[in-house]
Amino acid sequence: DTAVSQTPKYLVTQMGNDKSIKCEQNLGHDTMYWYKQDSKKFLKIMFSYNNKELIINETVPNRFSPKSPDKAHLNLHINSLELGDSAVYFCASSQTGAGEQYFGPGTRLTVT
Amino acid sequence: QQPVQSPQAVILREGEDAVINCSSSKALYSVHWYRQKHGEAPVFLMILLKGGEQKGHEKISASFNEKKQQSSLYLTASQLSYSGTYFCGTGGSGNTGKLIFGQGTTLQVKP
Repeated sequence: DTAVSQTPKYLVTQMGNDKSIKCEQNLGHDTMYWYKQDSKKFLKIMFSYNNKELIINETVPNRFSPKSPDKAHLNLHINSLELGDSAVYFCASSQTGAGEQYFGPGTRLTVT
Repeated sequence: QQPVQSPQAVILREGEDAVINCSSSKALYSVHWYRQKHGEAPVFLMILLKGGEQKGHEKISASFNEKKQQSSLYLTASQLSYSGTYFCGTGGSGNTGKLIFGQGTTLQVKP
């Protein structure tokens, strides 16, 4: 059983389109995260939810909107995609805010 | 502030040892270490929550010096499977889970 899963694994789209990435964890964790890893491997947190409540909202364009329908799911919707949004997006979860984080396999987003 | 890792890259032969350092300009409350292989997700190695704490994970161990605001990861008798990029993530005083990751250290172990 996959602990943290993401769909899709690859996403190729054109500038201006809207896309969503879905994440699910079956670990029973309370906290979930979205990270962006750029081409230089820099891993940066974007958002964090604890039990469906937004607790971290980093300096991210408003075009990015997370949604957590329940504590096992955290989705990321991106409006009006730009070239600079191309990256690998990782979902992660942890039991508590201080605990180890388990990452999903990542979604490679390519904007053309 | 992003923690600084050193070295940026290291090449080893199997069986050799390596040390990866992670330094922060801000107070450290916790340090996480992760390893990421090419094309894969980061995988948790260990977490250090207290100053002076040391932890071990098989032949990989780490220390946390809160006074010096740094942590070190020690890889002993390296194996081919140790190859990858190692990231330290530093946590703040709150319990939000926010980690600020270093730029990564690429480790290549050769036969």
